[in-house]
Amino acid sequence: EVQLVESGGDLVQPGGSLRLSCTASGFTFDDHAMHWVRQAPGKGLEWVSGISWNSGGIGHADSVKGRFAISRDNSKNSLFLQMSSLRAEDTALYYCARDWGYDFWTGPIDYWGQGTLVTVSS
Amino acid sequence: QSALTQPASVSGSPGQSVTISCSGTSSDVGTYNLVSWYQQHPGKAPKVIIYDVTKRPSGVSNRFSGSKSGNTASLTISGLQAEDEADYYCCSYVRSSSLWVFGGGTKLTVL
Repeated sequence: EVQLVESGGDLVQPGGSLRLSCTASGFTFDDHAMHWVRQAPGKGLEWVSGISWNSGGIGHADSVKGRFAISRDNSKNSLFLQMSSLRAEDTALYYCARDWGYDFWTGPIDYWGQGTLVTVSS
Repeated sequence: QSALTQPASVSGSPGQSVTISCSGTSSDVGTYNLVSWYQQHPGKAPKVIIYDVTKRPSGVSNRFSGSKSGNTASLTISGLQAEDEADYYCCSYVRSSSLWVFGGGTKLTVL
């Protein structure tokens, strides 16, 4: 059974930093690209970042480019999102999600975690 | 990159069919067949129900179907059931920008 478990969400002040983690199990992690997708309270889905199986391809939404960095450690079946210069509008539930293919532009996203909540507020 | 455009809400009675549109541009929906649709029930994670415009993952009911014409993709749900009441999101890859974009979401109400 595919499982994606996110952690690291917290309350952080504007301008602060946070690192999210996702631990994967139930599938061969380095056979798949991975993504982070967020959902602000009561709002829709927003793709944040994607990374190919070997970290050779990386993409970020314009709204987080230069502030967020996605990475992965295939030896630990783990995905990360380093977030800096956080803003109130970054407040959201952050989902870790698996791509069907090797590259993050392959799609679709076929499995999702349950999310970790990031709140940016003073 | 702007979000894809979906109607905020649609509704239908049990047994009827409804169609949800997803309007994009020639940079995303219009050029590539990398359009997917997700169903999300309240408090739950999204679930893919259509990918590559028309394909259905294993286990997804054949009451769900996808299509595309020009810059607009569509999701049709036939034989509406109470359990179909949920939020639906379209998603497309934007190759020129190397990113994915979601629609704003459509709330389906089964009357």
